[in-house]
Amino acid sequence: TQLLEQSPQFLSIQEGENLTVYCNSSSVFSSLQWYRQEPGEGPVLLVTVVTGGEVKKLKRLTFQFGDARKDSSLHITAAQPGDTGLYLCAGFHNAGNMLTFGGGTRLMVKP
Amino acid sequence: NAGVTQTPKFRVLKTGQSMTLLCAQDMNHEYMYWYRQDPGMGLRLIHYSVGEGTTAKGEVPDGYNVSRLKKQNFLLGLESAAPSQTSVYFCASSFWGPPDSNQPQHFGDGTRLSIL
Repeated sequence: TQLLEQSPQFLSIQEGENLTVYCNSSSVFSSLQWYRQEPGEGPVLLVTVVTGGEVKKLKRLTFQFGDARKDSSLHITAAQPGDTGLYLCAGFHNAGNMLTFGGGTRLMVKP
Repeated sequence: NAGVTQTPKFRVLKTGQSMTLLCAQDMNHEYMYWYRQDPGMGLRLIHYSVGEGTTAKGEVPDGYNVSRLKKQNFLLGLESAAPSQTSVYFCASSFWGPPDSNQPQHFGDGTRLSIL
């Protein structure tokens, strides 16, 4: 059983559409990170959210950390083919010493 | 600026064989990690190191050993490979680690390992 559940697991959309990816847990995290991974490469950090309710924007990507710090979402506006990839959320527990990863959401944006 | 370099990139082993995966980082990072990535399961931590000469178990350490003799290198060993160890292995490093939870982890490009 994974501590971080991501949904959906797969998402295929047309260029220009909007989408939201969710990362949920029953546990509280001191911070949460979002990574993007492209085929044949390692994950690359997109953002870290630390404060409950925090919202961060990275161009067309909007990241939100839940008020209770148990969940997070990633919203992409007007998706482009270059957004295609595997999106991973990862969180630190308050008393933990490891980064826990979700199972990932594989996004495909068709031109 | 190489970052994190993993060797080899691909390897096929027979059950029972042994091998060592090498990870090298040139960012003077204290923390280093080994993960395995399996479909639908994200990344799971195998072992990690908080500095030269130290190692610690992660979430799935069984069947693996590690060594950190030099700060820049972190080795992952499989003493007797099993088909269940077929996976993509990623090494990562960070300047500091928990409780400084804002530190990003920098990943290598992975080693694809198949055990027949």
